[in-house]
Amino acid sequence: GQQLNQSPQSMFIQEGEDVSMNCTSSSIFNTWLWYKQDPGEGPVLLIALYKAGELTSNGRLTAQFGITRKDSFLNISASIPSDVGIYFCAGQFFGSGGSNYKLTFGKGTLLTVNP
Amino acid sequence: NAGVTQTPKFQVLKTGQSMTLQCAQDMNHEYMSWYRQDPGMGLRLIHYSVGAGITDQGEVPNGYNVSRSTTEDFPLRLLSAAPSQTSVYFCASSKDRDLTDTQYFGPGTRLTVL
Repeated sequence: GQQLNQSPQSMFIQEGEDVSMNCTSSSIFNTWLWYKQDPGEGPVLLIALYKAGELTSNGRLTAQFGITRKDSFLNISASIPSDVGIYFCAGQFFGSGGSNYKLTFGKGTLLTVNP
Repeated sequence: NAGVTQTPKFQVLKTGQSMTLQCAQDMNHEYMSWYRQDPGMGLRLIHYSVGAGITDQGEVPNGYNVSRSTTEDFPLRLLSAAPSQTSVYFCASSKDRDLTDTQYFGPGTRLTVL
């Protein structure tokens, strides 16, 4: 099956610093999604990307859909303590065999922000 | 709207026991799914449903059964629990079956199998 390689696995940064994380795949995706999970909660969608090359912002968050459709990155600017959590990328491929209906998740990036 | 609700929040089972994890949504969403989350593994799709009466397997379906008799409910059944099924289970739903809309996650069920 399709797999996503998400890096880094974890990050320790100071408040105010910028953060960058990315996901790569050996397969192409039609949609890239970025989620955040707070401790003890379910993931919450941050940004959705639907077109190759698309660059989308949501407040201090910016994400891009790679031109090859095999990668995506998420940037967080001017980090604050509430940015702490696990960030997941997820991809969706529109194809045969019901693949439209499945999301493949990366293993997550654990972000710690020191005040 | 309550969104996606899951019960129970915590459960401890002995090996071989059976149980059902409940999931319900009140948003009239077409698509529902179950994931398990293990440390360092991210979320892995167990089963999903694109509408009432329609279910299909995800990435890790073995040991789990599902049914979708109504739009609102999507229970996950463990027929004979094993320690390898110790995990956090998340239910999710989306308005459209093609996942073009946001997928909303429930708060999770933390299951321990002894």
